[in-house]
Amino acid sequence: EPEVTQTPSHQVTQMGQEVILRCVPISNHLYFYWYRQILGQKVEFLVSFYNNEISEKSEIFDDQFSVERPDGSNFTLKIRSTKLEDSAMYFCASSVESGTYEQYFGPGTRLTVT
Amino acid sequence: GENVEQHPSTLSVQEGDSAVIKCTYSDSASNYFPWYKQELGKGPQLIIDIRSNVGEKKDQRIAVTLNKTAKHFSLHITETQPEDSAVYFCAASEPAGKSTFGDGTTLTVKP
Repeated sequence: EPEVTQTPSHQVTQMGQEVILRCVPISNHLYFYWYRQILGQKVEFLVSFYNNEISEKSEIFDDQFSVERPDGSNFTLKIRSTKLEDSAMYFCASSVESGTYEQYFGPGTRLTVT
Repeated sequence: GENVEQHPSTLSVQEGDSAVIKCTYSDSASNYFPWYKQELGKGPQLIIDIRSNVGEKKDQRIAVTLNKTAKHFSLHITETQPEDSAVYFCAASEPAGKSTFGDGTTLTVKP
């Protein structure tokens, strides 16, 4: 069964460093999302992406965040200058369509900022 | 923006009993309501969903109900088993795809 994959599974970085989190969505999906989950808290929407453009973003997704689909398969989240409070699980998701269609989540990348 | 409230935050039941988790949402534009099960160290896994034009949906031991007028929806798990123990999240999705999650319910099924 097709699945969303994410790399790395765990990333440790120092405050102020740039990190890139990578995702490979399901191949026939057209809509891509990033969510984050701070330990013990709920899943929070960051951004949705369609047709090489951001469709929607939350207030969390400020100028230090960016997303890109550099080729036909990868979808990346870049955090330019990490802060301690960026430590969280970051989940990528994809769906065939937006709105009333299932979003399939990857296993997540645990980001630890020290 | 959308606000989703989920209750209870923790739920403990005996194996074989039923479990009910309730959510309310605020934005009438939300039209898709998925439920996710999250096991430790894993991403959310969709277990059932309901669209705004449907009032109830059932899949084996799991059912979801939606009351659009009252803006609330519920997850019902019957004949619970220890492997049902996990954190369950409800979510409300807008037409553009943004999903707002509830705070989660930690379900413990005691053998």
